[in-house]
This record gives sequence, C-alpha cells and structure tokens, in this order.
Amino acid sequence: GNSVTQMEGPVTLSEEAFLTINCTYTATGYPSLFWYVQYPGEGLQLLLKATKADDKGSNKGFEATYRKETTSFHLEKGSVQVSDSAVYFCALGITNAGGTSYGKLTFGQGTILTVHP
Amino acid sequence: NAGVTQTPKFRVLKTGQSMTLLCAQDMNHEYMYWYRQDPGMGLRLIHYSVGEGTTAKGEVPDGYNVSRLKKQNFLLGLESAAPSQTSVYFCAAGHLTLYEQYFGPGTRLTVT
Repeated sequence: GNSVTQMEGPVTLSEEAFLTINCTYTATGYPSLFWYVQYPGEGLQLLLKATKADDKGSNKGFEATYRKETTSFHLEKGSVQVSDSAVYFCALGITNAGGTSYGKLTFGQGTILTVHP
Repeated sequence: NAGVTQTPKFRVLKTGQSMTLLCAQDMNHEYMYWYRQDPGMGLRLIHYSVGEGTTAKGEVPDGYNVSRLKKQNFLLGLESAAPSQTSVYFCAAGHLTLYEQYFGPGTRLTVT
C-alpha cells in the first residue's frame, strides 16, 4: 500500500534558522508529492508540489525535491520566520494507468514547527 | 469566491445523538472528500465523491454516511455519535487531474 512517514516533531527553531523536515514514502504506481501547511485554527493549504522524479517544488522560500532513488521529498527553507509556525504535512497522490485513484491523497502524520523570535 | 466552507465550526454532541456536517464549494470541482484529523495521526479519509450522486468509502468509513445530491455540496452524517468520533473534520474539494485539494476551515466535534 501507500504510506508517508514524516520526521517526528515538534520542531522548534529560532528566527532565521535553517529548516529541514524529512519525508519518505512508499507507493505503488506513479506518485505525485505534496507539502501542505496548516496554520493555527485553519484548514490545510497546498504549499508546493512535484509530479515526477527530480522535480523541485518551491513556494514562499520553501523547497522540496522529488528523489525517486531515496523515496524522499524533504522540505527545506533557508531562513524561517515566526510566521512560518504551523503544522506541515507531506502527502502523496497516485496517478495510475487506469485513472482510478480519484485524486485521493495519503498524508503523513504532520510535523509541528514553532519559530521563536 | 469563498472556496470551501463548512458548517458548523464547533459542535458538542452526547453519545447516541445524530448530526450532519455540511460542506459547500464554489470552485466547480468534481471531487470532494471528508477527512478526520486526530493528534499524531495526520488526516484520514472517511468518504469521498467523484461526482454528483456518487460516493465511496475511504480509509475509516465506519459510523459515517455521506451524500452528494448537488455537485457543490457534500454532507457527512453521524447517525449515532460515539466518543471515538471526537475529532476535527475537514472537507476538501479536488480538481479532476491536478491532484490538488482545497480544504475548508474544519469542524471541531466533541462527543461526550
């Protein structure tokens, strides 16, 4: 089956520190990979995505590269801000030849990030 | 353009009571989903719909029913609430081919 494993949190950083949140996956078929972010009291928002191996997704200073050889999609940011404090979810969606996956996503358990001034 | 909205935002039920959560989207997306979010477990898919009049079971469907009578609405029902259904419920709408999902703000449900 499909699964996503994220590094355990919570992660606490000082402002301007470097961020890495690890994400690895197992999948059958051809996965697309996503990072979603959930700010306090809100629903999830798509942060970035990559649809094939070696693609790099980027948005708001965050980046993640789809590594098929290591089945990973680690999230990075060079200099975090207090406003980046949120829960981050890695997710995968399978595109199969039959087109029957119906856009379903498999989520990791989420990583809580807290950034202090 | 409101995106995905959910009603209500909060609810407290007693064991055995029933309720319906409403999800509405104005993006004209075909796919809609109901998830529950529990601490340390990420989001788990309860039911989903690939179009008006269709529904299917997700990962954790027991104790829930859904209906999609109109394309823009997706209802989640609890016929006899149990404390194990205490959770935050999220609805999402998805594009046919882009595999991106757009989430509502959530409903926090407590069953006592």
